[in-house]
Amino acid sequence: DARVTQTPRHKVTEMGQEVTMRCQPILGHNTVFWYRQTMMQGLELLAYFRNRAPLDDSGMPKDRFSAEMPDATLATLKIQPSEPRDSAVYFCASGLVLGYDSISYEQYFGPGTRLTVT
Amino acid sequence: GENVEQHPSTLSVQEGDSAVIKCTYSDSASNYFPWYKQELGKRPQLIIDIRSNVGEKKDQRIAVTLNKTAKHFSLHITETQPEDSAVYFCAASIGGSQGNLIFGKGTKLSVKP
Repeated sequence: DARVTQTPRHKVTEMGQEVTMRCQPILGHNTVFWYRQTMMQGLELLAYFRNRAPLDDSGMPKDRFSAEMPDATLATLKIQPSEPRDSAVYFCASGLVLGYDSISYEQYFGPGTRLTVT
Repeated sequence: GENVEQHPSTLSVQEGDSAVIKCTYSDSASNYFPWYKQELGKRPQLIIDIRSNVGEKKDQRIAVTLNKTAKHFSLHITETQPEDSAVYFCAASIGGSQGNLIFGKGTKLSVKP
């Protein structure tokens, strides 16, 4: 049963520190999404990649957040410097999009990283 | 921009009763509508989905209906059980995008034994 994995599962850090979250998408999936979940805002899309190329990161605060896919098996989300308002659960999801005529929208979520910034 | 409204935000039912959660969407080009279940502290999991060429889909105790004209879709759970207690999210594909979804704010369902 293939699953998206994320590390770390929990992270507590002080304001101003750098935070890096990692995601391993399901093998063979070509699209990776980063979401942030809070009680107030629900699930917000931060960024997504297709075949490792960033397609949209308009949901991300550009001055402190960055997302990359160094290779097909690893996606990273970095916050530098972190702030208390960044406290949330960050989910990675992956999916397989085969082409414009046969778009698959199914997304499979990882277990999330619960980030607390004090 | 695109938007998905979900109601109610909380729902409490007695075990064995039915539960209905409703969503409306704004993008007329949306053509895929999934529902996710998220148990406390867990990841959202896809439980059922429907595409725009279908009006209704059923999987055991769960069914989803879609009214494209009115731009709304609903999740129906029959014979609810305590293990159905969770937060349920609806979502709609963003027309013209390549795989993006926009999510509703979620409905917290509590099934009382």
